[in-house]
Amino acid sequence: GENVEQHPSTLSVQEGDSAVIKCTYSDSASNYFPWYKQELGKRPQLIIDIRSNVGEKKDQRIAVTLNKTAKHFSLHITETQPEDSAVYFCAASISDYKLSFGAGTTVTVRA
Amino acid sequence: DTGVSQDPRHKITKRGQNVTFRCDPISEHNRLYWYRQTLGQGPEFLTYFQNEAQLEKSRLLSDRFSAERPKGSFSTLEIQRTEQGDSAMYLCASSLTGGNQPQHFGDGTRLSIL
Repeated sequence: GENVEQHPSTLSVQEGDSAVIKCTYSDSASNYFPWYKQELGKRPQLIIDIRSNVGEKKDQRIAVTLNKTAKHFSLHITETQPEDSAVYFCAASISDYKLSFGAGTTVTVRA
Repeated sequence: DTGVSQDPRHKITKRGQNVTFRCDPISEHNRLYWYRQTLGQGPEFLTYFQNEAQLEKSRLLSDRFSAERPKGSFSTLEIQRTEQGDSAMYLCASSLTGGNQPQHFGDGTRLSIL
């Protein structure tokens, strides 16, 4: 099955700085890569996703890049704000239904 | 609120008891998924439905677990003879069909086994 590794497990950044989270996947057939944000005690919320026919996607302060050759994808958050503090999960899918998640990155934005 | 709703939010039970959780998906979504999340980990896929048909079950879903979606709307997940290792957050998600449609999650049911 698909194996997704996520780094780092924790990330502390100064407000206004950028945060980068990296994920690798094992199955080259994976074709869909969503990112979820989960605040304490709340549901995972989809913040951005990318499909294998696209190398980069941006939505305001959030961007995701995909390198299919290297089998890795990254989340970039620019101009971080305190409300960006949360756990972020990457995921990959080789089917059109089953998501395999990374272990998560706890992001803390210091004011 | 038209998002995915789950009930109950929390369930505390003694080992050996049966528990049942309910999930109401977004109304126009014909796919429904169950995931399990333990502390410090990402969600793990358990099973999913296309309308009322259960199309795949993970190896994580032992024979003590059963899920149903009888009318293609809400779904229930039952765990029989609960064990300590069943303690986790059980998340439900829903989506439209086909082509990796985004999955939208509910708040989950946190199960604690005493």
